[in-house]
Amino acid sequence: DAKTTQPNSMESNEEEPVHLPCNHSTISGTDYIHWYRQLPSQGPEYVIHGLTSNVNNRMASLAIAEDRKSSTLILHRATLRDAAVYYCILRDSNYGGSQGNLIFGKGTKLSVKP
Amino acid sequence: DVKVTQSSRYLVKRTGEKVFLECVQDMDHENMFWYRQDPGLGLRLIYFSYDVKMKEKGDIPEGYSVSREKKERFSLILESASTNQTSMYLCASSLRDRGSTLTINQPQHFGDGTRLSIL
Repeated sequence: DAKTTQPNSMESNEEEPVHLPCNHSTISGTDYIHWYRQLPSQGPEYVIHGLTSNVNNRMASLAIAEDRKSSTLILHRATLRDAAVYYCILRDSNYGGSQGNLIFGKGTKLSVKP
Repeated sequence: DVKVTQSSRYLVKRTGEKVFLECVQDMDHENMFWYRQDPGLGLRLIYFSYDVKMKEKGDIPEGYSVSREKKERFSLILESASTNQTSMYLCASSLRDRGSTLTINQPQHFGDGTRLSIL
């Protein structure tokens, strides 16, 4: 899977929007962009994924740059429960391996202040 | 919502013991995974199963085995526990991508993990 780069940490105030960036300059045309998050002492949780178009779901929005070399996860109104490590992952639909396993980088640790 | 349940949150075992970690999912997912998560090393895949009785080795299968006798249950077995197997163990499940055994375009749903300590 191609590499992603994320800031180590970010801070936000409660009830404000949060924009979490991810750079993936070596992305290929068949790579999907996935976001997961992990709250303290819990397993990772799927957030959202997309290929080319922007995506929305009940948790977040995913904005994908036109050249697909970067993307941004948007939490529209941060809550204290959103404090977690957020992982941006590329997954290749032409992956020739047999597992399709997830490979997490270091992610961005998001702190939310009341 | 998908529920993936791991049998224990915390487990303490002794070196040389045979250890069983159980995982059950309630969404009829074909694929199930066992990972371990260690500080600085991220998530590493131990074993993967894409159907009942089917299994494939992940990146670090040594010292582990798995069993999938029923679709909803995937067990991880430490044949003879060692201290370097002290870790957080995470089970996940997902649907398969259409026409494939993979899960590239399907989210993986995780349990809350088992923190295993081997003394």
